Amino acid sequence: KAGVTQTPRYLIKTRGQQVTLSCSPISGHRSVSWYQQTPGQGLQFLFEYFSETQRNKGNFPGRFSGRQFSNSRSEMNVSTLELGDSALYLCASSLGQTGDTQYFGPGTRLTVL
Amino acid sequence: EDQVTQSPEALRLQEGESSSLNCSYTVSGLRGLFWYRQDPGKGPEFLFTLYSAGEEKEKERLKATLTKKESFLHITAPKPEDSATYLCAVPSGGGADGLTFGKGTHLIIQP
Repeated sequence: KAGVTQTPRYLIKTRGQQVTLSCSPISGHRSVSWYQQTPGQGLQFLFEYFSETQRNKGNFPGRFSGRQFSNSRSEMNVSTLELGDSALYLCASSLGQTGDTQYFGPGTRLTVL
Repeated sequence: EDQVTQSPEALRLQEGESSSLNCSYTVSGLRGLFWYRQDPGKGPEFLFTLYSAGEEKEKERLKATLTKKESFLHITAPKPEDSATYLCAVPSGGGADGLTFGKGTHLIIQP
């Protein structure tokens, strides 16, 4: 079974630009969660989508948004990029029930200059 | 507020030297505790899920245990390839919330 895939793997943007990241979950998984990982803050939850609906959201500004398509693929968008948005962005998929294991993709390394 | 604290932050062991990593958690109504391994620049790799106090799970040189307040990841006779950051996480809040992660333990196994 193929794992979680994320594209692109690396991105370099400048301040003020916007960026869209993509995530394809494991086949059959309906939940996709997004996380930001930085050396200082560690892994932090951004939001979760289940059946095309945002089910939960972490404590991030509105510049961070996402969506999920009918095939469970998900995209995350960050508008008006700031230097502090430089991070490894990870998505994880699961079946979507409470306590289900989340399986992570390889991540997208975003660098904001 | 849900909290996950891992200790030590870093650990250096000689090959074959067994040890344990600790994960203390504070959460209302545990709905699972997850252990992951992460190599530099890669996504976390799932290791174990524990659901109730007293539960134990093993995989090769690793064994995870769970009590009502903490979990341990025991590493027996580690090899250099076990070097990685080990993360634990719990589902936070009610419903299908995201995971709250600890900061991890950076483990180095020297040959």
